[in-house]
Amino acid sequence: KAGVTQTPRYLIKTRGQQVTLSCSPISGHRSVSWYQQTPGQGLQFLFEYFSETQRNKGNFPGRFSGRQFSNSRSEMNVSTLELGDSALYLCASSSVDRGRDEQFFGPGTRLTVL
Amino acid sequence: AQSVTQLGSHVSVSEGALVLLRCNYSSSVPPYLFWYVQYPNQGLQLLLKYTSAATLVKGINGFEAEFKKSETSFHLTKPSAHMSDAAEYFCAVSDRGRRALTFGSGTRLQVQP
Repeated sequence: KAGVTQTPRYLIKTRGQQVTLSCSPISGHRSVSWYQQTPGQGLQFLFEYFSETQRNKGNFPGRFSGRQFSNSRSEMNVSTLELGDSALYLCASSSVDRGRDEQFFGPGTRLTVL
Repeated sequence: AQSVTQLGSHVSVSEGALVLLRCNYSSSVPPYLFWYVQYPNQGLQLLLKYTSAATLVKGINGFEAEFKKSETSFHLTKPSAHMSDAAEYFCAVSDRGRRALTFGSGTRLQVQP
Protein backbone atom coordinates (compact mmCIF):
# COMPACT_ATOMS: atom_id res chain seq x y z
CA LYS A 1 0.00 0.00 0.00
CA ALA A 2 1.27 3.43 -0.86
CA GLY A 3 1.85 5.73 2.08
CA VAL A 4 0.59 9.24 2.70
CA THR A 5 1.75 11.60 -0.01
CA GLN A 6 2.08 15.35 0.29
CA THR A 7 2.65 17.88 -2.44
CA PRO A 8 4.61 19.94 -2.94
CA ARG A 9 7.52 18.92 -0.72
CA TYR A 10 9.02 22.39 -0.63
CA LEU A 11 7.51 25.84 -1.09
CA ILE A 12 8.85 29.36 -0.88
CA LYS A 13 6.37 32.21 -0.54
CA THR A 14 6.50 35.84 0.48
CA ARG A 15 4.59 37.58 3.24
CA GLY A 16 1.00 38.34 2.38
CA GLN A 17 0.64 35.58 -0.19
CA GLN A 18 -1.53 32.53 0.26
CA VAL A 19 -0.59 28.89 -0.13
CA THR A 20 -2.39 25.58 -0.66
CA LEU A 21 -0.91 22.27 0.42
CA SER A 22 -2.21 18.89 -0.67
CA CYS A 23 -2.40 15.53 1.06
CA SER A 24 -3.42 12.14 -0.33
CA PRO A 25 -4.17 9.61 2.43
CA ILE A 26 -3.46 5.91 2.45
CA SER A 27 -6.04 4.07 0.38
CA GLY A 28 -9.06 3.29 2.55
CA HIS A 29 -8.26 5.89 5.21
CA ARG A 30 -11.05 8.41 5.64
CA SER A 31 -9.59 10.64 8.36
CA VAL A 32 -6.95 13.23 7.56
CA SER A 33 -5.25 15.43 10.14
CA TRP A 34 -2.82 18.30 9.71
CA TYR A 35 0.00 19.34 12.00
CA GLN A 36 2.47 22.21 12.02
CA GLN A 37 6.05 21.59 13.16
CA THR A 38 8.34 24.49 14.06
CA PRO A 39 11.54 24.64 16.12
CA GLY A 40 9.93 27.01 18.60
CA GLN A 41 6.45 25.55 19.07
CA GLY A 42 7.11 21.93 18.18
CA LEU A 43 4.35 19.79 16.73
CA GLN A 44 0.90 21.32 16.95
CA PHE A 45 -2.43 19.97 15.78
CA LEU A 46 -4.19 22.11 13.17
CA PHE A 47 -7.37 20.24 12.28
CA GLU A 48 -8.88 16.89 11.35
CA TYR A 49 -11.25 16.07 8.53
CA PHE A 50 -13.46 13.04 8.21
CA SER A 51 -16.13 12.48 5.58
CA GLU A 52 -15.52 15.96 4.19
CA THR A 53 -16.30 17.55 7.57
CA GLN A 54 -13.96 19.21 10.00
CA ARG A 55 -14.16 17.15 13.19
CA ASN A 56 -11.54 18.73 15.41
CA LYS A 57 -9.68 22.02 15.31
CA GLY A 58 -6.53 23.20 17.05
CA ASN A 59 -5.75 26.64 18.33
CA PHE A 60 -4.79 28.40 15.11
CA PRO A 61 -6.12 31.64 13.57
CA GLY A 62 -8.74 31.62 10.87
CA ARG A 63 -6.06 32.19 8.23
CA PHE A 64 -5.52 28.44 8.43
CA SER A 65 -8.26 26.46 6.75
CA GLY A 66 -8.74 23.13 5.13
CA ARG A 67 -11.09 20.92 3.28
CA GLN A 68 -11.53 17.30 2.34
CA PHE A 69 -12.83 15.89 -0.90
CA SER A 70 -15.08 12.89 -1.48
CA ASN A 71 -12.04 10.73 -2.29
CA SER A 72 -10.60 11.65 1.17
CA ARG A 73 -7.82 13.79 -0.29
CA SER A 74 -7.33 16.94 1.72
CA GLU A 75 -5.97 20.41 1.20
CA MET A 76 -5.00 23.06 3.68
CA ASN A 77 -4.78 26.73 2.89
CA VAL A 78 -2.96 29.50 4.65
CA SER A 79 -3.90 33.03 3.66
CA THR A 80 -2.00 36.26 4.27
CA LEU A 81 1.22 34.46 5.07
CA GLU A 82 3.38 35.66 7.95
CA LEU A 83 7.05 34.93 8.61
CA GLY A 84 6.01 32.78 11.56
CA ASP A 85 4.11 30.43 9.26
CA SER A 86 7.42 29.01 8.06
CA ALA A 87 7.23 25.40 9.15
CA LEU A 88 7.02 21.78 8.19
CA TYR A 89 3.36 20.92 7.61
CA LEU A 90 2.58 17.28 8.21
CA CYS A 91 -0.46 15.41 7.10
CA ALA A 92 -1.56 12.17 8.76
CA SER A 93 -4.21 9.71 7.71
CA SER A 94 -5.97 7.05 9.71
CA SER A 95 -8.63 4.45 9.50
CA VAL A 96 -11.59 5.09 11.76
CA ASP A 97 -11.96 1.45 12.73
CA ARG A 98 -11.71 0.92 16.46
CA GLY A 99 -8.29 -0.39 17.39
CA ARG A 100 -6.82 0.54 14.02
CA ASP A 101 -7.00 4.30 14.17
CA GLU A 102 -3.36 5.15 14.61
CA GLN A 103 -2.14 7.97 12.41
CA PHE A 104 0.29 7.48 9.56
CA PHE A 105 2.26 10.56 8.60
CA GLY A 106 3.42 11.83 5.26
CA PRO A 107 6.88 13.31 4.65
CA GLY A 108 5.59 16.86 5.02
CA THR A 109 5.66 20.07 3.05
CA ARG A 110 8.35 22.52 4.11
CA LEU A 111 7.03 26.06 3.73
CA THR A 112 9.40 28.99 3.84
CA VAL A 113 7.92 32.49 4.07
CA LEU A 114 10.26 35.33 3.11
CA ALA B 1 -6.25 19.99 28.86
CA GLN B 2 -3.78 17.30 27.98
CA SER B 3 -0.06 17.83 28.06
CA VAL B 4 3.07 15.78 27.52
CA THR B 5 6.48 16.37 29.05
CA GLN B 6 9.58 14.76 27.67
CA LEU B 7 12.52 15.02 30.04
CA GLY B 8 15.77 15.69 28.25
CA SER B 9 15.84 17.35 24.85
CA HIS B 10 19.05 15.48 24.01
CA VAL B 11 20.11 12.01 25.10
CA SER B 12 23.42 10.44 24.13
CA VAL B 13 24.19 6.74 24.54
CA SER B 14 26.90 4.40 23.34
CA GLU B 15 26.11 1.75 20.77
CA GLY B 16 24.91 -1.35 22.62
CA ALA B 17 23.82 0.59 25.71
CA LEU B 18 20.31 0.86 27.12
CA VAL B 19 18.10 3.55 25.66
CA LEU B 20 15.67 5.25 28.05
CA LEU B 21 13.56 8.18 26.85
CA ARG B 22 11.22 9.68 29.41
CA CYS B 23 7.64 10.80 28.90
CA ASN B 24 5.10 12.01 31.45
CA TYR B 25 1.56 12.95 30.56
CA SER B 26 -1.23 14.91 32.09
CA SER B 27 -4.76 13.93 31.24
CA SER B 28 -8.05 14.00 33.10
CA VAL B 29 -9.07 10.64 31.71
CA PRO B 30 -7.05 7.57 30.73
CA PRO B 31 -5.59 8.53 27.39
CA TYR B 32 -4.13 6.83 24.39
CA LEU B 33 -0.34 7.19 24.34
CA PHE B 34 2.08 6.97 21.44
CA TRP B 35 5.75 7.13 20.61
CA TYR B 36 6.80 8.36 17.19
CA VAL B 37 10.27 8.61 15.62
CA GLN B 38 11.35 11.22 13.09
CA TYR B 39 14.44 10.85 10.93
CA PRO B 40 15.91 13.95 9.26
CA ASN B 41 13.76 15.37 6.48
CA GLN B 42 11.08 12.76 7.01
CA GLY B 43 7.66 12.53 8.57
CA LEU B 44 6.81 10.70 11.76
CA GLN B 45 6.81 6.93 12.07
CA LEU B 46 4.78 5.20 14.76
CA LEU B 47 6.92 3.08 17.09
CA LEU B 48 4.20 1.88 19.44
CA LYS B 49 0.90 2.80 21.05
CA TYR B 50 -0.93 2.19 24.31
CA THR B 51 -4.71 1.96 24.20
CA SER B 52 -5.48 0.30 27.56
CA ALA B 53 -4.72 -3.31 26.81
CA ALA B 54 -1.39 -4.58 28.20
CA THR B 55 0.58 -1.97 30.13
CA LEU B 56 3.85 -3.14 28.57
CA VAL B 57 3.72 -2.35 24.89
CA LYS B 58 6.15 -3.72 22.36
CA GLY B 59 6.84 -1.79 19.20
CA ILE B 60 8.97 -1.91 16.13
CA ASN B 61 12.77 -1.99 16.00
CA GLY B 62 13.07 -3.52 19.47
CA PHE B 63 11.48 -0.62 21.35
CA GLU B 64 8.99 -1.02 24.16
CA ALA B 65 7.21 1.25 26.62
CA GLU B 66 5.45 0.70 29.91
CA PHE B 67 2.32 2.59 30.93
CA LYS B 68 2.41 3.45 34.64
CA LYS B 69 -0.78 5.14 35.72
CA SER B 70 0.43 5.88 39.24
CA GLU B 71 3.41 7.77 37.83
CA THR B 72 1.57 9.14 34.75
CA SER B 73 4.52 7.93 32.73
CA PHE B 74 5.09 6.16 29.44
CA HIS B 75 8.86 5.83 29.12
CA LEU B 76 10.41 4.33 25.98
CA THR B 77 13.21 1.78 26.28
CA LYS B 78 15.42 -0.36 24.09
CA PRO B 79 17.91 -2.79 25.61
CA SER B 80 20.70 -2.20 23.11
CA ALA B 81 21.12 0.95 21.02
CA HIS B 82 22.05 0.75 17.37
CA MET B 83 23.56 3.53 15.27
CA SER B 84 20.40 3.54 13.16
CA ASP B 85 18.36 4.56 16.24
CA ALA B 86 19.78 8.09 16.07
CA ALA B 87 16.74 10.27 15.44
CA GLU B 88 14.22 12.48 17.22
CA TYR B 89 11.58 10.79 19.32
CA PHE B 90 8.19 12.22 20.20
CA CYS B 91 5.75 11.10 22.85
CA ALA B 92 2.11 11.96 22.13
CA VAL B 93 -1.26 11.68 23.84
CA SER B 94 -4.82 11.76 22.61
CA ASP B 95 -8.22 11.44 24.18
CA ARG B 96 -9.95 8.17 23.47
CA GLY B 97 -11.99 8.46 20.32
CA ARG B 98 -10.22 11.60 19.14
CA ARG B 99 -7.43 11.67 16.62
CA ALA B 100 -5.98 15.03 17.65
CA LEU B 101 -2.52 14.29 19.03
CA THR B 102 -0.78 16.44 21.63
CA PHE B 103 2.97 16.03 21.29
CA GLY B 104 5.86 16.46 23.66
CA SER B 105 8.76 18.66 22.67
CA GLY B 106 10.83 15.74 21.47
CA THR B 107 14.08 14.06 22.50
CA ARG B 108 16.99 13.86 20.11
CA LEU B 109 18.81 10.56 20.55
CA GLN B 110 22.48 10.43 19.64
CA VAL B 111 24.24 7.05 19.44
CA GLN B 112 28.00 7.09 19.84
CA PRO B 113 30.11 4.33 18.24
